[in-house]
Amino acid sequence: DVKVTQSSRYLVKRTGEKVFLECVQDMDHENMFWYRQDPGLGLRLIYFSYDVKMKEKGDIPEGYSVSREKKERFSLILESASTNQTSMYLCASSTTGFGSYEQYFGPGTRLTVT
Amino acid sequence: RKEVEQDPGPFNVPEGATVAFNCTYSNSASQSFFWYRQDCRKEPKLLMSVYSSGNEDGRFTAQLNRASQYISLLIRDSKLSDSATYLCVVNRGGGSYIPTFGRGTSLIVHP
Repeated sequence: DVKVTQSSRYLVKRTGEKVFLECVQDMDHENMFWYRQDPGLGLRLIYFSYDVKMKEKGDIPEGYSVSREKKERFSLILESASTNQTSMYLCASSTTGFGSYEQYFGPGTRLTVT
Repeated sequence: RKEVEQDPGPFNVPEGATVAFNCTYSNSASQSFFWYRQDCRKEPKLLMSVYSSGNEDGRFTAQLNRASQYISLLIRDSKLSDSATYLCVVNRGGGSYIPTFGRGTSLIVHP
């Protein structure tokens, strides 16, 4: 059974704190993604990675960075959390290969920045 | 024009009804299309891929119209358990594996 796990389901941080969100997949997938989901805005892509140590900006990378030191792990970093980063964060992974674009999602981390 | 557009709904239907959702996309080079389902407070999960010839999975039928750049999802004989948000997903053009998600259409099936 495929699995994507995220380090926390709920997180509360203060403005200005550095925040780490961790994601681990056990499917040996090449691609990993970080999204945020907000009411009325849907899922928006923050960053993605297609290989170890490789990263690409998504549609809304400002205020975020990522790290992928191992194939199975993809971290999202908020260098200095702000209240407008309060959101649901979803990690996903997918394999590469024609037709194999299904995204497998983790359960999400609901981050509140106060 | 947004890249992937969906009517947010909610679509409120009785059990047993047939309901259809449409989704339009702007990138004519897109080649991969999907419907995902997201239950309340859960992560999205793939419902079905959408092929050029259309495809059916039980009560669910998905169709693609490339000329008009829209995809559709038809649900027959709706069940209470079909209540969820349905996300239209279109991969960015040129064989890209990077998806763009629509904002979702909410379906509520009532007794």
